[in-house]
Amino acid sequence: QKEVEQNSGPLSVPEGAIASLNCTYSDRGSQSFFWYRQYSGKSPELIMFIYSNGDKEDGRFTAQLNKASQYVSLLIRDSQPSDSATYLCAPAGGQGGKLIFGQGTELSVKP
Amino acid sequence: GAVVSQHPSRVICKSGTSVKIECRSLDFQATTMFWYRQFPKKSLMLMATSNEGSKATYEQGVEKDKFLINHASLTLSTLTVTSAHPEDSSFYICSALGDTDTQYFGPGTRLTVL
Repeated sequence: QKEVEQNSGPLSVPEGAIASLNCTYSDRGSQSFFWYRQYSGKSPELIMFIYSNGDKEDGRFTAQLNKASQYVSLLIRDSQPSDSATYLCAPAGGQGGKLIFGQGTELSVKP
Repeated sequence: GAVVSQHPSRVICKSGTSVKIECRSLDFQATTMFWYRQFPKKSLMLMATSNEGSKATYEQGVEKDKFLINHASLTLSTLTVTSAHPEDSSFYICSALGDTDTQYFGPGTRLTVL
């Protein structure tokens, strides 16, 4: 199964700073990844899908994929307290569309 | 687009009763849906894959007779927790598989078994 590892955190950053969330994976066959955000007590919501090496930007979010080093990261610029949540990465392409999530990284943005 | 609903959002039941949770894709058809459960402060655990018109595929360790899944149409999958017990109390979340193999999650159902 395609698996990922994330630092569970909590990662604490001050408001306005850049938050950097990392995800490493073991399956070299993994070609693309999803990033989801999950607020406490809520279900996950899709933030980004990245499928090629390099950066993909969407507003304050930038996903980075480095296939040679087998990691994918999510940068959040100008972090806001409303960004405080758990961030989950998962490799795409699982059997039948399955996603196997890691434990996620809890981000806390302090005002 | 890609909206998934769940009903009910919260349910409290007595031990030994059965509870049905519905998952609907509102603006797209989903041949495949997934059911997850999540305990407090824990990661999402995939329970089963629900395929329209066929039997669900359960993950290892998930009792298929305990968690009945029916995917009778392209927009509806149901999860029935049979003979619920307090240890079944959890947050149950469904997702529907859309284009580009993206999963769109429902808002979840919080089950409390007394």
